[in-house]
Amino acid sequence: AQRVTQPEKLLSVFKGAPVELKCNYSYSGSPELFWYVQYSRQRLQLLLRHISRESIKGFTADLNKGETSFHLKKPFAQEEDSAMYYCADSGGYQKVTFGTGTKLQVIP
Amino acid sequence: NAGVMQNPRHLVRRRGQEARLRCSPMKGHSHVYWYRQLPEEGLKFMVYLQKENIIDESGMPKERFSAEFPKEGPSILRIQQVVRGDSAAYFCASSPLAGDLTDTQYFGPGTRLTVL
Repeated sequence: AQRVTQPEKLLSVFKGAPVELKCNYSYSGSPELFWYVQYSRQRLQLLLRHISRESIKGFTADLNKGETSFHLKKPFAQEEDSAMYYCADSGGYQKVTFGTGTKLQVIP
Repeated sequence: NAGVMQNPRHLVRRRGQEARLRCSPMKGHSHVYWYRQLPEEGLKFMVYLQKENIIDESGMPKERFSAEFPKEGPSILRIQQVVRGDSAAYFCASSPLAGDLTDTQYFGPGTRLTVL
């Protein structure tokens, strides 16, 4: 079965510091990976998809098939980045498996 | 486009009662998904529906839980004879029928169910 692992429940960084939110997946086929974000009192929303190879709000994520990872990175954290971040894998199917989430706390 | 709508936002039930959660997908979306989020845990897939069809219900508990997505009207997640362990946030998401973003899911605000 698909499994998405986010090892950190909470990540605290200072404003301006680099951020890396870790995500590992287990699906052995062709992963379809996403990062979703939930800001305080808002609904879960898509941040970025690996197939788009895009940078959203300064965040990027590279698929590393050798390490089965899709870590989310940003060079300089901003206070408004504080939120819950979920990594997800649809594995080419509509059924999406979510990780348990990492709460990012940016300290001013 | 109003986005995915869920109601009620908060629902309180006593043990043994029924809970009905509604989800209206985004306009033009015909795929609906339900997720449950228990306290301190991540989102867990429950069921995937298309209009009038259950495509994948592998995440649904075998008893007391059911879901439908009729031809007209919202998708309904029904929990019969609720127990305290059903207390959670239930999220609905929808995605379009076709196109480049068929894998992208758009989430509703969730329904927080509390069982007394």
